[in-house]
Amino acid sequence: AQTVTQSQPEMSVQEAETVTLSCTYDTSESNYYLFWYKQPPSRQMILVIRQEAYKQQNATENRFSVNFQKAAKSFSLKISDSQLGDTAMYFCAFIEGTQGGSEKLVFGKGTKLTVNP
Amino acid sequence: KAGVTQTPRYLIKTRGQQVTLSCSPISGHRSVSWYQQTPGQGLQFLFEYFSETQRNKGNFPGRFSGRQFSNSRSEMNVSTLELGDSALYLCASKDFVSYNSPLHFGNGTRLTVT
Repeated sequence: AQTVTQSQPEMSVQEAETVTLSCTYDTSESNYYLFWYKQPPSRQMILVIRQEAYKQQNATENRFSVNFQKAAKSFSLKISDSQLGDTAMYFCAFIEGTQGGSEKLVFGKGTKLTVNP
Repeated sequence: KAGVTQTPRYLIKTRGQQVTLSCSPISGHRSVSWYQQTPGQGLQFLFEYFSETQRNKGNFPGRFSGRQFSNSRSEMNVSTLELGDSALYLCASKDFVSYNSPLHFGNGTRLTVT
């Protein structure tokens, strides 16, 4: 079974600094997709960034970037210039690319990030 | 476009009762998925519907069921509620049958079973 592990239950960072959230996953497939979702206190899950496994180039979205290490099955999220609005639960998620389009994300347990002023 | 809408936002039920949760996807989205979120188990996939057909189902007992209507709105039903069913139930929709199309989530329904 596919699993996603986030080893850091909680993290904190000072405003304007950089923080990295860790994620590892386990799969025997070669074609898959990885995502980071953010869940603020409002409860709505928001997509932060996504990465296709076949792409070697790390994805970047403004202040958010990933370090994708396929051989190590690692997918960490780096947040630069942290802002108070980044305070949220962050979930790493995985989906295989062989399900005929059927959506079945496997999520990690999450990392609670607090940005301090 | 309006986002994914889930109703009600909060629900309190008693053990043994049944409950129906509703989800209206973003206009044009035909895929609707349901997830259960609890502090202990995290986010777990319940089921996914596309064009009124259940395409995938998670590892939940038969008390959990769902359906999708022709307008893509979806409902999930939990019968014979147990205390362990207390959770945040999230609905998500997507607009394209592609693995990397993002899911758009609603704000969830918080179910408390007493």
